[in-house]
Amino acid sequence: AQSVTQLDSQVPVFEEAPVELRCNYSSSVSVYLFWYVQYPNQGLQLLLKYLSGSTLVESINGFEAEFNKSQTSFHLRKPSVHISDTAEYFCAVSDPYDYKLSFGAGTTVTVRA
Amino acid sequence: ETGVTQSPTHLIKTRGQQVTLRCSSQSGHNTVSWYQQALGQGPQFIFQYYREEENGRGNFPPRFSGLQFPNYSSELNVNALELDDSALYLCASRLTGNYGYTFGSGTRLTVV
Repeated sequence: AQSVTQLDSQVPVFEEAPVELRCNYSSSVSVYLFWYVQYPNQGLQLLLKYLSGSTLVESINGFEAEFNKSQTSFHLRKPSVHISDTAEYFCAVSDPYDYKLSFGAGTTVTVRA
Repeated sequence: ETGVTQSPTHLIKTRGQQVTLRCSSQSGHNTVSWYQQALGQGPQFIFQYYREEENGRGNFPPRFSGLQFPNYSSELNVNALELDDSALYLCASRLTGNYGYTFGSGTRLTVV
């Protein structure tokens, strides 16, 4: 069985400051890892994913996440946030043979001017 | 691409009633999954359908059931509604072999 722990439920941050959202997972098999973003009253949008290969993955809007197998982590970072990054962020895991996604409880990011 | 469309967007039902939620997936997306997202929590996997057959189920009772149709639409049915069924229900679809799930905006169900 897989589970995901997002270590911060709320992260307030000032505009143009860096942000890091922490995610740890537990799994007995190899995993695929994902970050999703949810804006108010909307569904989930895929931000980035790690399936294999380079442990550092990047999104088109400046986010990046690093897969660390020894620490079973997949932390999300952005060097400079914008007001529009205010949203809820979910870390998720699945194994390569079971397409079901197991989500963390989410981290609410609030960017202030 | 037309995305994933869910209907209705909001719904209020009485405890004990039955409800059907609908999802229209992108053309060619023959795998569809349903998730329940309670307030303040992450989505929980309900079940998945591939080519109109259920091929995975989470920890939900049998009163949660589904259907998938050849035209890439699907339904989530919940019988004997309970207050704890109040949540946002999300539909997600993908192409087989592709891990890029596309989520709909969800149906907000309130059970009173």
